[in-house]
Amino acid sequence: DAKTTQPPSMDCAEGRAANLPCNHSTISGNEYVYWYRQIHSQGPQYIIHGLKNNETNEMASLIITEDRKSSTLILPHATLRDTAVYYCILRRNAGNMLTFGGGTRLMVKP
Amino acid sequence: DAGVTQSPTHLIKTRGQQVTLRCSPKSGHDTVSWYQQALGQGPQFIFQYYEEEERQRGNFPDRFSGHQFPNYSSELNVNALLLGDSALYLCASSLKKTSGGEYEQYFGPGTRLTVT
Repeated sequence: DAKTTQPPSMDCAEGRAANLPCNHSTISGNEYVYWYRQIHSQGPQYIIHGLKNNETNEMASLIITEDRKSSTLILPHATLRDTAVYYCILRRNAGNMLTFGGGTRLMVKP
Repeated sequence: DAGVTQSPTHLIKTRGQQVTLRCSPKSGHDTVSWYQQALGQGPQFIFQYYEEEERQRGNFPDRFSGHQFPNYSSELNVNALLLGDSALYLCASSLKKTSGGEYEQYFGPGTRLTVT
């Protein structure tokens, strides 16, 4: 599976939107973009995934560029409980394993 | 609806010993994957079980083995423990797609293993 690049850390003010970028310039046509987050000392939590269209659920929105070489996870109104490490992962449609990189440590501040 | 559960939550073992970790998948899921997460790093894939067989394996030695039971629950066994095996061991469950691949994986809280 192709690799992703994320900034190691970001800060966000409570109540504001948190926009987490992810670069995946070598993404293949059959690879989905998945986002997970891991709050300290807990298991990773699934957030959202998409192929080429923008996606939205109750947790977040996922914006994928038209060339699919990058994406942005948006938490519309960040709270202190959103402080976590966020992982952007590429996964083939028929894939099984998840390959985690370093992720982005998001700190939401009051 | 119970999510993924793991036991025990914490475990301390001595070098050379053997350990067994357990995982019960989320209701309706048929596939279990195991991951190892060392301190400060992202989870690393160990292996995946489906239909009671190991289907895919990451870069881990044969000291790491597993099993899946008919009720889809799973065990991870590690023999001849090394200090470097100290980590958070995560179990994730999912549902296989009829067309191949699987739906998203849901993780349990993990088992913290300390080897002294």
